[in-house]
Amino acid sequence: QQQVKQSPQSLIVQKGGISIINCAYENTAFDYFPWYQQFPGKGPALLIAIRPDVSEKKEGRFTISFNKSAKQFSLHIMDSQPGDSATYFCAAILDSNYQLIWGAGTKLIIKP
Amino acid sequence: NAGVTQTPKFQVLKTGQSMTLQCAQDMNHNSMYWYRQDPGMGLRLIYYSASEGTTDKGEVPNGYNVSRLNKREFSLRLESAAPSQTSVYFCASTGTGAGTEAFFGQGTRLTVV
Repeated sequence: QQQVKQSPQSLIVQKGGISIINCAYENTAFDYFPWYQQFPGKGPALLIAIRPDVSEKKEGRFTISFNKSAKQFSLHIMDSQPGDSATYFCAAILDSNYQLIWGAGTKLIIKP
Repeated sequence: NAGVTQTPKFQVLKTGQSMTLQCAQDMNHNSMYWYRQDPGMGLRLIYYSASEGTTDKGEVPNGYNVSRLNKREFSLRLESAAPSQTSVYFCASTGTGAGTEAFFGQGTRLTVV
């Protein structure tokens, strides 16, 4: 019940296309859903996050879509660029203990 | 701002050797974490410390020990390194409160031969 399932494991998208990464969770007590971006040789860094009382959050080319009833959330990268090539992690947090539960990660490659 | 600083960045050990990975944060965060990252396995929590003076096991604690030396520093020790511990290790810290962000160090790439 503490798991966050992330798919796909890897994704190749053409430059200018839309990249979509999906995550699903079971624990309805999760109340914060961040996405982290990790470049090779670096630690993950917060990209964008959403609370379950909001169905969508957009920051530039990055959008989180949240479906509370389905217990799913996804990251959309519009107009994908080669510089977006990285590994993306979804996560979920319980406000009661601030523990981060991580998805397994998606390696995204944007082809020029 | 330094954020989270890990040392060393690279290390090669022989099987059976011991070593300590150091981590320090300058953000006055209460919680600190050690993760290992292996290809296709994501981030797996080794140990965490919710506050100074407390430590708890994560998903994969076997073969590791930790010390929360003070609020700033959280070290990870391998007493007798094994090839299965070849991995990239990340230290992270978080504050408390709704929407807390995790800050990561740059990682330590450890190879055990």
